[in-house]
Amino acid sequence: GNSVTQMEGPVTLSEEAFLTINCTYTATGYPSLFWYVQYPGEGLQLLLKATKADDKGSNKGFEATYRKETTSFHLEKGSVQVSDSAVYFCALSDNSGAGSYQLTFGKGTKLSVIP
Amino acid sequence: DVKVTQSSRYLVKRTGEKVFLECVQDMDHENMFWYRQDPGLGLRLIYFSYDVKMKEKGDIPEGYSVSREKKERFSLILESASTNQTSMYLCASTTYAANTEAFFGQGTRLTVV
Repeated sequence: GNSVTQMEGPVTLSEEAFLTINCTYTATGYPSLFWYVQYPGEGLQLLLKATKADDKGSNKGFEATYRKETTSFHLEKGSVQVSDSAVYFCALSDNSGAGSYQLTFGKGTKLSVIP
Repeated sequence: DVKVTQSSRYLVKRTGEKVFLECVQDMDHENMFWYRQDPGLGLRLIYFSYDVKMKEKGDIPEGYSVSREKKERFSLILESASTNQTSMYLCASTTYAANTEAFFGQGTRLTVV
């Protein structure tokens, strides 16, 4: 079956530090890959996505590149802000048609950014 | 603005009660999902539905049932609530098309006492 593994948290960074959150996946076929963010007290919202190998998703200064050879989709940001404090989820969507495009999520990584 | 709305943000119920969690989406999406979110476990799929009156079990369906009588509404039912069902419940919807994002509700934090 499909699975997503992301680095354990929590992660605490100072403002303007560089952020990397690692994500690797196992899937049959050719999944789409996503990063979702959950701010305190809210549901999840899409941060960025990539639908095929070598695609780069980007949004709000965050980036992630779909690496088929290493089955990875690591999230990066060059300079984090306090407002980036949230829980980040890596996810994949099974596009094989067998699963009605279900999302499989990693366990989430909590990021705290301190001034 | 597209929306997935869950009927309650917070609920407190007693052990053995029948509990209904309601979710409504206004995007005409075919697929709807119920997840529960627990610390250290991430999001786990309870049930999903790909059409009206259709449902499929997810990874942890035990103790839950669902109802989808209309396309825009997907209800999660706890037949007899237990303390181990205390959790955050998240509803989501997507279209049939591949590569599209899921839209989530704001979550319902259920406490069973």
